[in-house]
Amino acid sequence: GAGVSQSPSNKVTEKGKDVELRCDPISGHTALYWYRQSLGQGLEFLIYFQGNSAPDKSGLPSDRFSAERTGGSVSTLTIQRTQQEDSAVYLCASSLLGLNTQYFGPGTRLTVL
Amino acid sequence: DQQVKQNSPSLSVQEGRISILNCDYTNSMFDYFLWYKKYPAEGPTFLISISSIKDKNEDGRFTVFLNKSAKHLSLHIVPSQPGDSAVYFCAAKNGAGSYQLTFGKGTKLSVIP
Repeated sequence: GAGVSQSPSNKVTEKGKDVELRCDPISGHTALYWYRQSLGQGLEFLIYFQGNSAPDKSGLPSDRFSAERTGGSVSTLTIQRTQQEDSAVYLCASSLLGLNTQYFGPGTRLTVL
Repeated sequence: DQQVKQNSPSLSVQEGRISILNCDYTNSMFDYFLWYKKYPAEGPTFLISISSIKDKNEDGRFTVFLNKSAKHLSLHIVPSQPGDSAVYFCAAKNGAGSYQLTFGKGTKLSVIP
């Protein structure tokens, strides 16, 4: 079956602009995660969605970051008023409820000029 | 404060020999550990995992060893193949009911033909 997909694969934007990144999880996976990987760093947890429960936003670095998940499937990560330090690869993952293994998408490389 | 550390940023191994990738952690509440492999421009791919109640898990050429007292785990690849060349991330999960993965910064493995 299809894996996790993300779009766009690359995004270049100017400082101060808003961006939206999209994630389509594996069909049937109820849990969805966003991470980001800055240059030379490990993956940093951002936010977690599980079914209809309130998301865990504890990893979001600032209030410029928000995410939603519509209909328990597709998720959008929005970064408002982008800054150069937001430049990173943004990775989405999904998993079945109760299982430990998360499956990752290919990521969106965001470059803020 | 890095809770998961991969102290070797890179490793070169001859084809056919053993590759040993190491990972140390500081949080004694971690109860599940995973290794992911990442090729350039792709998302991390799940490789192998181990629960904290075990000290070894084997899957084909890949074996993960866990030493809880030393808070250390390692991934052994035998025999190493050129296609194994990638960045390997160690990740850990914190306790039952948790879902966040805490990642190390990765080790770049190069298998030389």
